[in-house]
Amino acid sequence: GESVGLHLPTLSVQEGDNSIINCAYSNSASDYFIWYKQESGKGPQFIIDIRSNMDKRQGQRVTVLLNKTVKHLSLQIAATQPGDSAVYFCAENRPQGGKLIFGQGTELSVKP
Amino acid sequence: NAGVTQTPKFQVLKTGQSMTLQCAQDMNHEYMSWYRQDPGMGLRLIHYSVGAGITDQGEVPNGYNVSRSTTEDFPLRLLSAAPSQTSVYFCASSGQVYNSPLHFGNGTRLTVT
Repeated sequence: GESVGLHLPTLSVQEGDNSIINCAYSNSASDYFIWYKQESGKGPQFIIDIRSNMDKRQGQRVTVLLNKTVKHLSLQIAATQPGDSAVYFCAENRPQGGKLIFGQGTELSVKP
Repeated sequence: NAGVTQTPKFQVLKTGQSMTLQCAQDMNHEYMSWYRQDPGMGLRLIHYSVGAGITDQGEVPNGYNVSRSTTEDFPLRLLSAAPSQTSVYFCASSGQVYNSPLHFGNGTRLTVT
């Protein structure tokens, strides 16, 4: 079946470095993508989204890149801070029925 | 503004028992959904609703029922709990059906023994 998946289950970075979290999706009809951050014991929190008619979108310290040719999504976090430590999920919006399908998640660990 | 509120936060059931997980949102969102989160599996969609009176199945609907009698509430019912339903359950809502980020509650941790 089709799915959204992440390349790496864990990522460890030094405080102040940039982080890049990757995501692969397989449904070429998906037209909207979201990155979420989930801290322990809490629900996922919206970070940034991007529509399929864009290839880059920037927020505060975060950038999402979309490569539709290879069905790849990435989240870049600039100047990573200890508060960025969490699990990050990508999600794709399937056009049929408005379903939002999530990937497995990447755990980001920031070393001081 | 409370956002999405889920109750209870924790629940332990015995196999075969039934229960309802409550979800309410105060943002007047049309779209609501239920996910379960298991280790290594990410979040999987159980059921969703695009408005009051309308519900549909997600990826893993078996063993769960939903109803949407009001815009605010979207309860999830376990008819006969099984150990495989041990999970963390998240309710989420969004203002639009398509291309709109979901707002999540803080989850209900369910254990079925």
